[in-house]
Amino acid sequence: AQSVTQLDSQVPVFEEAPVELRCNYSSSVSVYLFWYVQYPNQGLQLLLKYLSGSTLVKGINGFEAEFNKSQTSFHLRKPSVHISDTAEYFCAVSKAAGNKLTFGGGTRVLVKP
Amino acid sequence: GAVVSQHPSRVICKSGTSVKIECRSLDFQATTMFWYRQFPKQSLMLMATSNEGSKATYEQGVEKDKFLINHASLTLSTLTVTSAHPEDSSFYICSAPLKTGQGLNTQYFGPGTRLTVL
Repeated sequence: AQSVTQLDSQVPVFEEAPVELRCNYSSSVSVYLFWYVQYPNQGLQLLLKYLSGSTLVKGINGFEAEFNKSQTSFHLRKPSVHISDTAEYFCAVSKAAGNKLTFGGGTRVLVKP
Repeated sequence: GAVVSQHPSRVICKSGTSVKIECRSLDFQATTMFWYRQFPKQSLMLMATSNEGSKATYEQGVEKDKFLINHASLTLSTLTVTSAHPEDSSFYICSAPLKTGQGLNTQYFGPGTRLTVL
C-alpha cells in the first residue's frame, strides 16, 4: 500500500515570495506522482505529474516539482506566488498512471498581500 | 483538455431520502471512473472504483449497499447515496482517466457535488 504525507497543513506566504510545499511518500513499488490544486468549492486541477524521465517537472501556473527517489519526496515549488494561488494543494500517488490515487492530507496556501 | 462534469453541483435533502449524483466524461470514454469523498478541510478518500459493465469495487469500510454505483455507459457513472443521514454530508468528487500523449493515463476530476443532509 502507498501513503502520502504532506508535512505542512498550512503555509502562509506573502505575495511575490517563493513557496515550497513538501510531500513525502512511501510505497513498496514504483509510483507515479502528482500535484493537484483545489480552489474553494471546486474539483481538482492537475498542476503537474511525474511519470518517468527528468526528475524536475514543470507544470502550469509557474509551478515545478522535483522527484527525489532516495528521499521519497516530491516537493512543489513556485518562485513567486500571486494572490490567486491561494488554494488547497494535494500531493498524490498511484501505482499506475490512471489508476486510483492516494492523496496526502493537503496543504492550504494563503497568499497575503 | 478533457472535461468531466458532475450533476448536481449542490444538493440538500432530508434525512432518509436517496440522492443520485452523476459523473460524465464529456469528450472521452472511460471504462473506469473513481468516486472520492472529501470532508471539510480534509483530503480526498477513495470510496470506490466504478467499472463499465460490471460491479463497482469498493474500498475497505465503504458500505456498498449505502453507496450504490452504476456505470451504465462509457461516459456516465452514477453514485446513489441511499437513506442519507447527516453524517453522509460531504463533498463527493469523481474522476476519470484519459490516455494522454505518452500512452499513459491522466486522471481528470469533476467539479464535485456538495451534499447536505438535514
